Parts: sequence; C-alpha cells; structure tokens
Amino acid sequence: DQQVKQNSPSLSVQEGRISILNCDYTNSMFDYFLWYKKYPAEGPTFLISISSIKDKNEDGRFTVFLNKSAKHLSLHIVPSQPGDSAVYFCAATTGLANNLFFGTGTRLTVIP
Amino acid sequence: KAGVTQTPRYLIKTRGQQVTLSCSPISGHRSVSWYQQTPGQGLQFLFEYFSETQRNKGNFPGRFSGRQFSNSRSEMNVSTLELGDSALYLCASSWGGGGANVLTFGAGSRLTVL
Repeated sequence: DQQVKQNSPSLSVQEGRISILNCDYTNSMFDYFLWYKKYPAEGPTFLISISSIKDKNEDGRFTVFLNKSAKHLSLHIVPSQPGDSAVYFCAATTGLANNLFFGTGTRLTVIP
Repeated sequence: KAGVTQTPRYLIKTRGQQVTLSCSPISGHRSVSWYQQTPGQGLQFLFEYFSETQRNKGNFPGRFSGRQFSNSRSEMNVSTLELGDSALYLCASSWGGGGANVLTFGAGSRLTVL
C-alpha cells in the first residue's frame, strides 16, 4: 500500500521555466515532508523539507507547498536549470521515527 | 568530511545464496537506515539501527536482517535470495532519531539475483 504517491513518472520543462512536481499522501499522521533528488549512480540527496505546521518553505530556487486538507504537496523550481535534471522523490514521516515513506519518483528533464 | 560508504557497489548472486552488504556512516552519525529501491516501488524502508539496537523495522520478510556495530558501521544480510530481491540497496545515516533528521544516503549496493 503506497502511502506516498507521485503520479507523474516524468516531466520535461524548458530551461528558465517553472518545474512543478506533485506528491500526494494518504496517512494523516505524517507531519514532516521532504524532497530528495537523485542523479544516476548516486544516492538520493536532501533538497528541502517542510513541517506540517507550515504551508510553505523556500530555499533559493526551490519552494515546497503543503496542503494538509488535500494531503498534497508540491515542489516548485524556478527558474529550472539543466543541472536540475534528476529523479525527485517525495518522502513523508511521522517525525518520531527515522523511517521515511517515499514516493516512486518523478524524472525531471530540463531542456536547454 | 567523508560521506556514507557502501560496499560492495555491485554484486551478482544466484537464487538461494545469501549476501551481506556493508555501510559506513558519516563520522558522528549514530543512526543507520536501510532502504530497498526497485523500479515502480520507489524506496522502501527496511530497518533502522541506533546505538547497536534495531529501533524500527519495515514490512520485509525475516530473510532480511541487519546489525550495527559499536562504531556505528552497519551490515545487512539477505538469506535465501529470490529473483525479486534484485534491487539497489541504499544505506543512510543521520545524527539521531526522528524524521526531522535529514538522512544522508550512500551511493548504494546494486544486487542482481540470477
């Protein structure tokens, strides 16, 4: 039972445009959400996170939005750069434990 | 500082065999978690160790086991390998417990079961 879902396996955007990656979750006990980025032959690297007490968190070109009522979060990348091309994983946890529930990932391709 | 190191990076085994994977966490990190990544399933949590104790376990059969040593290094073992165990096994370390601790992942050990 996939508690965190990323329904878009892939996304292509033009360089300089906005990339929006979406994620849905089913477990209302999740209170901390993270995005990880993964390049081929490397492990996932942490990108940005958000606590359930917030609805937005920004870090440079990356912004994560959380809509608790819809159990939905999204990652916005503005402007998108070719180096952003990677697989992006959404993850969630209850905050009490170190086990993350990951989505299946979205492969982002930024076209120069 | 050195990152999370996993060995071996690649290995091929046959059904019925067993395998042991190793993980050296970032110096000072006391928590080590293991994840399995397969196409279409994303990353799935196997177990987490903190100060040599298994603190959390995912929904995997008993063929999957692990341990952590006093220096925080960890190993995971899979016995009686099945074809479906072919996957990328990722180790991650963090300072302590709680989801607010950011996990730092290694590059993974890619296991192929023939």
